[in-house]
Amino acid sequence: KAGVTQTPRYLIKTRGQQVTLSCSPISGHRSVSWYQQTPGQGLQFLFEYFSETQRNKGNFPGRFSGRQFSNSRSEMNVSTLELGDSALYLCASSLGGKTGNTIYFGEGSWLTVV
Amino acid sequence: AQTVTQSQPEMSVQEAETVTLSCTYDTSESDYYLFWYKQPPSRQMILVIRQEAYKQQNATENRFSVNFQKAAKSFSLKISDSQLGDAAMYFCAYRSGSGGSNYKLTFGKGTLLTVNP
Repeated sequence: KAGVTQTPRYLIKTRGQQVTLSCSPISGHRSVSWYQQTPGQGLQFLFEYFSETQRNKGNFPGRFSGRQFSNSRSEMNVSTLELGDSALYLCASSLGGKTGNTIYFGEGSWLTVV
Repeated sequence: AQTVTQSQPEMSVQEAETVTLSCTYDTSESDYYLFWYKQPPSRQMILVIRQEAYKQQNATENRFSVNFQKAAKSFSLKISDSQLGDAAMYFCAYRSGSGGSNYKLTFGKGTLLTVNP
């Protein structure tokens, strides 16, 4: 069974540009969540989607957005990139039906903003 | 808001020895879940062990076990017979069992574990 797949794995963008990251959850998983990991702030929750609906959002500016498609695949977008957006972005999936469902992570997308 | 604290930024252990990583959390909820995740240099987060708050029995997974003290809000991870492959960053995480915030994990800052041969 394939795990959580994130693309691209590495990317470099320039300040002011926008970026889209993609996440394919484990087959059968309907919940997808996104986390940002930086050395200074650690792991921070961005948002979570279930059946194409955003159920929860972290404390990030509106430049960070996401969506989920009918096949449960998810994308997150960051517009007007800033240097501080350089981070590892982790996608995670779970069955989503119960709060106790285990959350499985992908390998992450490394974003460098220059 | 819930918070998770890992007071040991770094720990080291000799191969085959036992090490305990500490984690405390703050919550007013009674229904929640606690997790330990491992993040090796590849940076993929791997679930090590989970604990349901309503269960009094401490969870175990092979060489990994937890000491869950609900009243003290403490959730430590014990790694027995440490192996070189256990070297990684370990994160303690909290997940609410109810309410609107129950779809996210709240992480501690992590403990970097080094295993010496």
